[in-house]
Amino acid sequence: GAVVSQHPSRVICKSGTSVKIECRSLDFQATTMFWYRQFPKKSLMLMATSNEGSKATYEQGVEKDKFLINHASLTLSTLTVTSAHPEDSSFYICMCSPNTGELFFGEGSRLTVL
Amino acid sequence: DAKTTQPPSMDCAEGRAANLPCNHSTISGNEYVYWYRQIHSQGPQYIIHGLKNNETNEMASLIITEDRKSSTLILPHATLRDTAVYYCIVRLRTDSWGKLQFGAGTQVVVTP
Repeated sequence: GAVVSQHPSRVICKSGTSVKIECRSLDFQATTMFWYRQFPKKSLMLMATSNEGSKATYEQGVEKDKFLINHASLTLSTLTVTSAHPEDSSFYICMCSPNTGELFFGEGSRLTVL
Repeated sequence: DAKTTQPPSMDCAEGRAANLPCNHSTISGNEYVYWYRQIHSQGPQYIIHGLKNNETNEMASLIITEDRKSSTLILPHATLRDTAVYYCIVRLRTDSWGKLQFGAGTQVVVTP
């Protein structure tokens, strides 16, 4: 079946640095990818919708300059957390669809900012 | 956009059927009901989805009431590996295909 891969699965960084997370659809093309964020014991919160070849659409309250999203191809979207701070520590998850009605999530990337 | 209501938690004995309810009383005619589950520290896993008719696959069955205001996910023979948070989601009517909003879900614990 369709698979979505995220990398890295875990990352630890120092405060003030930037971290890039990749999301790849391995065997289908995804015109749209979605980025979610999840705090411990909380539900997933949609951050932004990433459209191939155009600017991402951010949910209310999500800083677009803080969370840079690039969707350069039909199989790759990246989320860059810029100037990370401890409060950015979270579980980041991407989701995409091959337009069959099914929606597939990546394995998630756990970011820890020291 | 429709919202869903699920019980916060549910225990189930291994080998028994687990019936997970979900209310979506404000669902619109073209909105689908999706079920996902999330095992701790993993990405959500797709289980099943439906519009009007009952659906079954290798993982579960989805029963949708005739008025579409509620549904039940059935795990026919629960195993310990089915312990997870289960999310019932109604897909929003947006221009973005597949945009989902998650509620709190139901924490299912399968016990031996």
